[in-house]
Amino acid sequence: EPEVTQTPSHQVTQMGQEVILRCVPISNHLYFYWYRQILGQKVEFLVSFYNNEISEKSEIFDDQFSVERPDGSNFTLKIRSTKLEDSAMYFCASRTGLGYEQYFGPGTRLTVT
Amino acid sequence: AQRVTQPEKLLSVFKGAPVELKCNYSYSGSPELFWYVQYSRQRLQLLLRHISRESIKGFTADLNKGETSFHLKKPFAQEEDSAMYYCALENYGGSQGNLIFGKGTKLSVKP
Repeated sequence: EPEVTQTPSHQVTQMGQEVILRCVPISNHLYFYWYRQILGQKVEFLVSFYNNEISEKSEIFDDQFSVERPDGSNFTLKIRSTKLEDSAMYFCASRTGLGYEQYFGPGTRLTVT
Repeated sequence: AQRVTQPEKLLSVFKGAPVELKCNYSYSGSPELFWYVQYSRQRLQLLLRHISRESIKGFTADLNKGETSFHLKKPFAQEEDSAMYYCALENYGGSQGNLIFGKGTKLSVKP
């Protein structure tokens, strides 16, 4: 069964550095999402992406964040200058269409030191 | 504001006992509600959605609009049900249906 994949599984970076988190959604899916979960807190929506553009973003998704689908398969989340509070588990999700199940990746644990 | 509340962080029961994981929501429109489960070292996966009204792994959930609740129930818990359970609301206020999650309840089923 096809799955959403994410790399790396764990990323450690220093404050102020740029990080890129990568996701490969399921191939026939059209809607893509990033969520994050700070340890001990709820899973929070960051951004949705459809038709090669951001369709919605939350208050968390400020100018330090960006997303791209550079080659039709990868879906990336970039944090330009990481802060300590960006430490979290980042989940990618995709779905075929609205009203259908969102399939989640295994997550990337980002640790900012 | 759209919100999902799961009041219990941890629920511990013995094998064979009934289980009820509570979920309440706040949403201005007609809600689309889900339960997601995360087993140890596995990814988040859909357990069930209210619109399909089906039973998965013995779990059921009924949407009660009057009480704004979507509690998850199972009559006889099994050890393999031990996991994190998240109630989620699909936000159609945003056009692309992002999910709003509760904080999750950790279910521990003891032998």
